Amino acid sequence: QKEVEQDPGPLSVPEGAIVSLNCTYSNSAFQYFMWYRQYSRKGPELLMYTYSSGNKEDGRFTAQVDKSSKYISLFIRDSQPSDSATYLCAMTPSGANSKLTFGKGITLSVRP
Amino acid sequence: DAGVTQSPTHLIKTRGQQVTLRCSPKSGHDTVSWYQQALGQGPQFIFQYYEEEERQRGNFPDRFSGHQFPNYSSELNVNALLLGDSALYLCASSFDRRIGETQYFGPGTRLLVL
Repeated sequence: QKEVEQDPGPLSVPEGAIVSLNCTYSNSAFQYFMWYRQYSRKGPELLMYTYSSGNKEDGRFTAQVDKSSKYISLFIRDSQPSDSATYLCAMTPSGANSKLTFGKGITLSVRP
Repeated sequence: DAGVTQSPTHLIKTRGQQVTLRCSPKSGHDTVSWYQQALGQGPQFIFQYYEEEERQRGNFPDRFSGHQFPNYSSELNVNALLLGDSALYLCASSFDRRIGETQYFGPGTRLLVL
């Protein structure tokens, strides 16, 4: 079993839809949770960063962490074609500066 | 402010050869991490350098080695290349002593081993 599992894709939604992306993990030591967005042929770009359980909102993006269930989610409201990319969850036990363990990534396509 | 830069952007090598990839961290950053991203997979941690020392290492063989220079730039060396080493190699930088610091990724070097 991989340490981090991410819902398989690809995912295609119409413009304006609410998108839910999810990851589960097995290592209870993970404390810091991140979502990265990666456009084709580019490096990952940090979207959201949360510590421990709870919610965090930034514009159209909301990250949720449920440590009791070992489950994290990223919600995208009013999705736009420019949101089309691969989304990677990542986590680490000891600060976002240290080794990140990533999920496989899910490719999202937002249709105009 | 230049972000993380990597060179070269693309590289083609044959099995058994050696390759060196380079990374310049974001201005003000002192820590460099390297990741390997195979096609359709998430990045996998190779190692991290801080103060010119390898501080943390992932599950990669000794064929993968690195170096950090006094100006914080870094190199990743891979010896005896295998077909399976074909991947996007990502460099990420951060500042060690900033609370809540996260890693900023460069665009990567795409390596193809034939």
